[in-house]
Amino acid sequence: DTEVTQTPKHLVMGMTNKKSLKCEQHMGHRAMYWYKQKAKKPPELMFVYSYEKLSINESVPSRFSPECPNSSLLNLHLHALQPEDSALYLCASSQDKGGQGYEQYFGPGTRLTVT
Amino acid sequence: RKEVEQDPGPFNVPEGATVAFNCTYSNSASQSFFWYRQDCRKEPKLLMSVYSSGNEDGRFTAQLNRASQYISLLIRDSKLSDSATYLCVVNDYTGGFKTIFGAGTRLFVKA
Repeated sequence: DTEVTQTPKHLVMGMTNKKSLKCEQHMGHRAMYWYKQKAKKPPELMFVYSYEKLSINESVPSRFSPECPNSSLLNLHLHALQPEDSALYLCASSQDKGGQGYEQYFGPGTRLTVT
Repeated sequence: RKEVEQDPGPFNVPEGATVAFNCTYSNSASQSFFWYRQDCRKEPKLLMSVYSSGNEDGRFTAQLNRASQYISLLIRDSKLSDSATYLCVVNDYTGGFKTIFGAGTRLFVKA
């Protein structure tokens, strides 16, 4: 079962709010990813966790804070966001982040609007 | 030069047509390659991995040309449901892991 779930599907938040996005996979994958996608653009990698440790942070502002409580769960904590942070936030997982053929499977995303 | 480049299209083709997309990559040390499709306001879905020997899945054929640094996707007998954006993805491991998406090629299949 290649399924990654994300909650919530939609989120509207003010610039002073704190909220969290959640992602879960039960495929036994050991790498998990957060991406940001703006309209008519490809996904942009934000963070990669490998074996529950943060291995890549693509110079993402500190108002985005990732967390990996266990191998199945990935959170993205949001605080003091700006309107330009409005986007589709996608979570993905793969068997591992290294090596050939480790396809990433995406969740349906959280559509975030910052007002 | 962008790390991964695709013709944005759009490609407008009739049902039943054969259509091909290319995607070029700049790092000769890139190691793994994939095609995804993305429907409007949905997540990318894996279409196929691209292996050195090429691979085929029904109406879809993917090829890798390492000498010229491009991957291709061929869709035969296009269906209306093939209308989507096709994204190529390249994984690089030089100097640390990177996963790079092309900007996508838009395909419209018309009845």
